[in-house]
Formats: sequence, C-alpha cells, structure tokens
Amino acid sequence: DVKVTQSSRYLVKRTGEKVFLECVQDMDHENMFWYRQDPGLGLRLIYFSYDVKMKEKGDIPEGYSVSREKKERFSLILESASTNQTSMYLCASSLTRAPNTGELFFGEGSRLTVL
Amino acid sequence: AQSVSQHNHHVILSEAASLELGCNYSYGGTVNLFWYVQYPGQHLQLLLKYFSGDPLVKGIKGFEAEFIKSKFSFNLRKPSVQWSDTAEYFCAVNSGRGSTLGRLYFGRGTQLTVWP
Repeated sequence: DVKVTQSSRYLVKRTGEKVFLECVQDMDHENMFWYRQDPGLGLRLIYFSYDVKMKEKGDIPEGYSVSREKKERFSLILESASTNQTSMYLCASSLTRAPNTGELFFGEGSRLTVL
Repeated sequence: AQSVSQHNHHVILSEAASLELGCNYSYGGTVNLFWYVQYPGQHLQLLLKYFSGDPLVKGIKGFEAEFIKSKFSFNLRKPSVQWSDTAEYFCAVNSGRGSTLGRLYFGRGTQLTVWP
C-alpha cells in the first residue's frame, strides 16, 4: 500500500512564526501536492511538484512556499504564519504514468492553528 | 482551468434510503473522474474512479457512479445507505492526458449524514 506520511498531526503556532510541514511518500511517485481543506471550501491546491526541485503554484500559493529536494519528500513552508492560515493541510502524491494518472494518495493531514 | 460543481452541500438521509450526489465538470476533453470519501477523523480515500470504458463504474462499499459525457456529469449513487456512510464526499476531475502533471480539480464536497 502507498503510504503518505505527514510529520505532524496537530500544530499550534503564533502569528509571525515560521512553520514547516513535512510530507514523505514511499511509492516513488513523481507528483506531490499540498492542499488546504476548509469547511465549505473543499480542497484548494496550494502548490504541487512533478519532479525533484520542480514546483508549480496552485490556486492559493500566497503566503506559502515549498521545497522538494528529494523525490519522496515535499515540504510546505509558511514563512510568517497568520491566523487566516489556520486550516487542515493535506499532502498527496500520485503517479504520472497511466493508468493511474491523477489518482491521489493522501496523508492523514496536519491541523494547524495559528494564534 | 477546470471547475467541478457538486450540487448539494449537505444531504441528510435515513438508513436504507437511496443516494445520488451530483457532480458536473467544465472540461470538454478527455477526463479521468474520481470520487473520494472522508470518514470522520480519517484521511481522504478513493471511492471509485473512471478512466475509460464502461461509463458505469463500481467502487467500494456498494457505491457506483455513472459518467455521462454529454452532460459533463459523474453522479455518485448507492441504492441503500447505511449509518456508516456518513462522511464527506468529493468529486474530482483530471484532464487525463498527463498535462498539468496529474493535477486533480476538486468540488467543494458534499456532507452526507445518515440517520439510523
């Protein structure tokens, strides 16, 4: 089974702090994604990466950055956390090769509270 | 960009009732279609998927979905729901050509509550 592991299930940070969310997948997937999930808004894509050191902005990249130095690891960085970044953050990975193009495998999520 | 619409934000049913959750998408080309489910306190997991072939696809736990290309729809159905189906359901679409590098576009989700 594919396993996507997010390093922290729950975090509480203060406004202005730098926050790192780590994600590791064990199935050699090319693509990795960071979403945030908010009630009534569904899943919104922050950033994604299709290869090591490559990244693409999603729909809501402002206030976030990412790092992918190794294929299995994709980090989300909040340079200066703000209260409106309180949310559930979901990491996912997927293959590019058919027949599984697009099927995502999700981690359990990291619930971030910014005070 | 693609968009995905889920018509119902919250659906409340009694056990044994039939379920249909609507999903429409905007992309006109070849698509891969997915339904994901998130049970309370759990991570998102795949319920079913459509890549090609028979437009009626079956997933886990008795769910099925029908792809109607002419209507840009991929509605989720279950003939008889159970209390354990209480969850949030997300429809998602991918362009299916490897472009946008496997990115999925999600609907806003439908919360299903099933009363025993």
